[in-house]
Amino acid sequence: DQQVKQNSPSLSVQEGRISILNCDYTNSMFDYFLWYKKYPAEGPTFLISISSIKDKNEDGRFTVFLNKSAKHLSLHIVPSQPGDSAVYFCAASIGGGSEKLVFGKGMKLTVNP
Amino acid sequence: KAGVTQTPRYLIKTRGQQVTLSCSPISGHRSVSWYQQTPGQGLQFLFEYFSETQRNKGNFPGRFSGRQFSNSRSEMNVSTLELGDSALYLCASTRSSGGYETQYFGPGTRLLVL
Repeated sequence: DQQVKQNSPSLSVQEGRISILNCDYTNSMFDYFLWYKKYPAEGPTFLISISSIKDKNEDGRFTVFLNKSAKHLSLHIVPSQPGDSAVYFCAASIGGGSEKLVFGKGMKLTVNP
Repeated sequence: KAGVTQTPRYLIKTRGQQVTLSCSPISGHRSVSWYQQTPGQGLQFLFEYFSETQRNKGNFPGRFSGRQFSNSRSEMNVSTLELGDSALYLCASTRSSGGYETQYFGPGTRLLVL
């Protein structure tokens, strides 16, 4: 049973435009959500997180939105840059603890110059 | 601060052999987690160690084991390697802040089993 789902395997956007990456989850006990970016042959890099007490968190060009009723979160990247081209993973945990971190299968973002 | 380091970066083994992978967490981080990444399955949690004790374990066979030393460095071992064990093995160390924990990953060890 996949508890964290990234239903779109890939997304292609033009440089300067907005990239919206979506993630759905099924376990209502999840209360902490993270986004990671991964380049080939490297480990995932932490981007941004949000706890369930918030519905939005911003860090520079990255904003994560959380809709608890829909069990949905999204990552917005504005403006998108070619260096953002990577695989993005969303992850969720219960109680904010890392020992129960569950990852989605990832989504490949391509930003075209 | 130095990041999470993993050695070796690449490894080729044959079926039936065993392998040991090493991970050094970020200084001050006491928790180390291991993940297996394959193209079809994404990142799958193997196990987590905290203060030399296994705190949580994923759904992998007993051929996969690990340990953590007093300096927080961790090793994972895979015995009797199978072709399906070919994967990228990622180690992550954990930072706690405000009651929430964030994992920081190393570059991974790519294992190829022939």
